[in-house]
Amino acid sequence: KQEVTQIPAALSVPEGENLVLNCSFTDSAIYNLQWFRQDPGKGLTSLLLIQSSQREQTSGRLNASLDKSSGRSTLYIAASQPGDSATYLCAVGSGNTGKLIFGQGTTLQVKP
Amino acid sequence: DVKVTQSSRYLVKRTGEKVFLECVQDMDHENMFWYRQDPGLGLRLIYFSYDVKMKEKGDIPEGYSVSREKKERFSLILESASTNQTSMYLCASSLWESSSTDTQYFGPGTRLTVL
Repeated sequence: KQEVTQIPAALSVPEGENLVLNCSFTDSAIYNLQWFRQDPGKGLTSLLLIQSSQREQTSGRLNASLDKSSGRSTLYIAASQPGDSATYLCAVGSGNTGKLIFGQGTTLQVKP
Repeated sequence: DVKVTQSSRYLVKRTGEKVFLECVQDMDHENMFWYRQDPGLGLRLIYFSYDVKMKEKGDIPEGYSVSREKKERFSLILESASTNQTSMYLCASSLWESSSTDTQYFGPGTRLTVL
């Protein structure tokens, strides 16, 4: 059974720092890996999707990498801002039904 | 932009009541999903639907049922609400063109409290 783990559970950094969020998964037979953002009390917003054949994706200050063989993904946030404060979830698409398996998330606080 | 709406942001119900949570998407998506989110447990899939009138159990279907009579609408039903069903409920939809590129679009969530 696929399991997704995110470390750390919480992170607090000063504004301007570059930071890395980690995600690991137990079964390398995946279709894709996705990173979502969730603001308090809100739904999830898709940030980046990496297909299983890809190694990384970039969007603005965000860069996500995927290493299927080791079962790891990282989300790199450059020059963090207070507006980046949120919970970041990674999810793995590992079946052919469109279902996602989510990690428990990393809650990020960026202090001004 | 894809829009997924949920009928209520906050809902308070009593134990034993029958509860309906409604979700509507406006992008002709094939797949729709219901999750619940609890602190320390993350998002857990309750049910999903891959076509009208089609449904499949997720990881925690007990105590819930669903209905999809029209493509754009997916309803979650709590047959007899219990206090352990107090949670944040999130609906999502996806187009399902390809297994490798499919992503889910989420509604704003319904915070349900069962007293």
